[in-house]
Amino acid sequence: TQLLEQSPQFLSIQEGENLTVYCNSSSVFSSLQWYRQEPGEGPVLLVTVVTGGEVKKLKRLTFQFGDARKDSSLHITAAQPGDTGLYLCAGARTGGFKTIFGAGTRLFVKA
Amino acid sequence: DAGVTQSPTHLIKTRGQHVTLRCSPISGHKSVSWYQQVLGQGPQFIFQYYEKEERGRGNFPDRFSARQFPNYSSELNVNALLLGDSALYLCASSQNEDLRPPYGYTFGSGTRLTVV
Repeated sequence: TQLLEQSPQFLSIQEGENLTVYCNSSSVFSSLQWYRQEPGEGPVLLVTVVTGGEVKKLKRLTFQFGDARKDSSLHITAAQPGDTGLYLCAGARTGGFKTIFGAGTRLFVKA
Repeated sequence: DAGVTQSPTHLIKTRGQHVTLRCSPISGHKSVSWYQQVLGQGPQFIFQYYEKEERGRGNFPDRFSARQFPNYSSELNVNALLLGDSALYLCASSQNEDLRPPYGYTFGSGTRLTVV
């Protein structure tokens, strides 16, 4: 059972469109991370958020951590084919050593 | 600088056999974690080691074991392989044990294990 629920599971859009993917849980996390994974590779860290309500921007990507630190969102502006991949959120609990991953959102951006 | 290296990259084993997967973390990283990623799912936590001690264990049977060596490299061992053990096994290294920002995991490319 995934404690982190990601939605949508799959998203196919045209180049230039905007999109938002969500990561939700009933648990509180001390930090939450977003990774992108391409076929045949390990996940690559995009960002870590730690403060409730925190917003971080990475070029066309905007990440937000919910006020209660139970959920997060990733917004991509003007998506490009290079954004194609599996987007994973991962949460770490206070004092815990186990980082839990969601099942991921598979994004396909068509040129 | 070399990233996280895993070996072998691909492996085919028969049911009931034993397998050893290896991981070398980034130089200076003392924590190694192992994850299993089944096709279409997110990574599932198996073990974390820090300073050669087991710090966490996921919900996996005792057939799964691991260890960390003095040079911080790690091995994951799986005994009595089942078809359901077929997956991508990922090793992740981190500088500290609780992934305090700005640090997170650096993953290797994984070992693709197929059990037939």
